[in-house]
Amino acid sequence: DQQVKQNSPSLSVQEGRISILNCDYTNSMFDYFLWYKKYPAEGPTFLISISSIKDKNEDGRFTVFLNKSAKHLSLHIVPSQPGDSAVYFCAATTNNNAGNMLTFGGGTRLMVKP
Amino acid sequence: EPEVTQTPSHQVTQMGQEVILRCVPISNHLYFYWYRQILGQKVEFLVSFYNNEISEKSEIFDDQFSVERPDGSNFTLKIRSTKLEDSAMYFCASSPHYGYTFGSGTRLTVV
Repeated sequence: DQQVKQNSPSLSVQEGRISILNCDYTNSMFDYFLWYKKYPAEGPTFLISISSIKDKNEDGRFTVFLNKSAKHLSLHIVPSQPGDSAVYFCAATTNNNAGNMLTFGGGTRLMVKP
Repeated sequence: EPEVTQTPSHQVTQMGQEVILRCVPISNHLYFYWYRQILGQKVEFLVSFYNNEISEKSEIFDDQFSVERPDGSNFTLKIRSTKLEDSAMYFCASSPHYGYTFGSGTRLTVV
């Protein structure tokens, strides 16, 4: 039951260009979405989030866009840097879940080439 | 910056043995979680813990699994009788509400 899907297992981008990572979800109860970055041998690190009442949230080089009607979100990184090379996971949750269980996508491996 | 600490970083155990994975969450956080990631697969929710009891658990979290907060600082995951398919990275996390902080994980290898 893949409620959160990241259809691109990998993405390669030149340094300085934009990286766009995509995520789709099926559960209409999800109303809060997060992006995590993961390096090998480390736990996921929170990057940015967005509530379903917004369609865009920006933090420095990172911007998350949410299209509720399409059940789609994307993470834009601009400009991309070699240090951004990692696996990126999108995750979703429901606002009224006290335990805030996250449902993760399968991840996209981003490689930023110098 | 506060962090979630997990020990050990790598645990090898024989099938059928009990294993305890340990975590020290961030001290003022109220919610605690265990997730796992089987090699090459998604990060999967196991259990959340709030106010000294399980608040939610997944179908993965069967009777072989248990969690405990024995002393107000540690948060443990016990697997009673390990199976080969329990081999995975196990991540502990804590949060004040939103904004999880994950630990670096324990790699469990069942042989």
